[in-house]
Amino acid sequence: SQQGEEDPQALSIQEGENATMNCSYKTSINNLQWYRQNSGRGLVHLILIRSNEREKHSGRLRVTLDTSKKSSSLLITASRAADTASYFCATDAYKAAGNKLTFGGGTRVLVKP
Amino acid sequence: IAGITQAPTSQILAAGRRMTLRCTQDMRHNAMYWYRQDLGLGLRLIHYSNTAGTTGKGEVPDGYSVSRANTDDFPLTLASAVPSQTSVYFCASSPSGAGGEPQHFGDGTRLSIL
Repeated sequence: SQQGEEDPQALSIQEGENATMNCSYKTSINNLQWYRQNSGRGLVHLILIRSNEREKHSGRLRVTLDTSKKSSSLLITASRAADTASYFCATDAYKAAGNKLTFGGGTRVLVKP
Repeated sequence: IAGITQAPTSQILAAGRRMTLRCTQDMRHNAMYWYRQDLGLGLRLIHYSNTAGTTGKGEVPDGYSVSRANTDDFPLTLASAVPSQTSVYFCASSPSGAGGEPQHFGDGTRLSIL
């Protein structure tokens, strides 16, 4: 079963525009991570936000977390063609041992030059 | 370049055959993971290992087995492949296996079972 559900499933924007995608999850979590996957490649870690954090920034990325709504958002500002990829959220369950992640189905982002 | 190496990159396999997917990391990470990725379903955890000599079951372990004889290698075996195991398989690692660590991924093995 999937813990995270992402919305939208696909997103097409012009270069320079912002891209926002959302992740909803079902059970309480310790942390939420966002990953990027370029076509035909493995996932690359982007950012981690802990359950006691509400917002985090990394370069052009901004992540928010609302534990009361069990949701997170990833904002990519001033998008570039190189940002074209699929983006996945992943959670690890509250009080669960280890680092076992549950992934959402992903958002496919196309940035048109 | 440090990272995870998976082999083969792709394979077509007849149903009923045995297949081992290889995964090697050179980062001296304690924890390693195997996921499968199917269209629209994201990644699902098959098996994991928090340290050499130990393994655990993930969300979808049936039909797969793993071993962890040393820190660097974490092979995944399909004892008797079935068409529903057609997927892209990713190996990943993290430093200690503690929660809240980013995972590092290989580029995957694309497996087709006919």
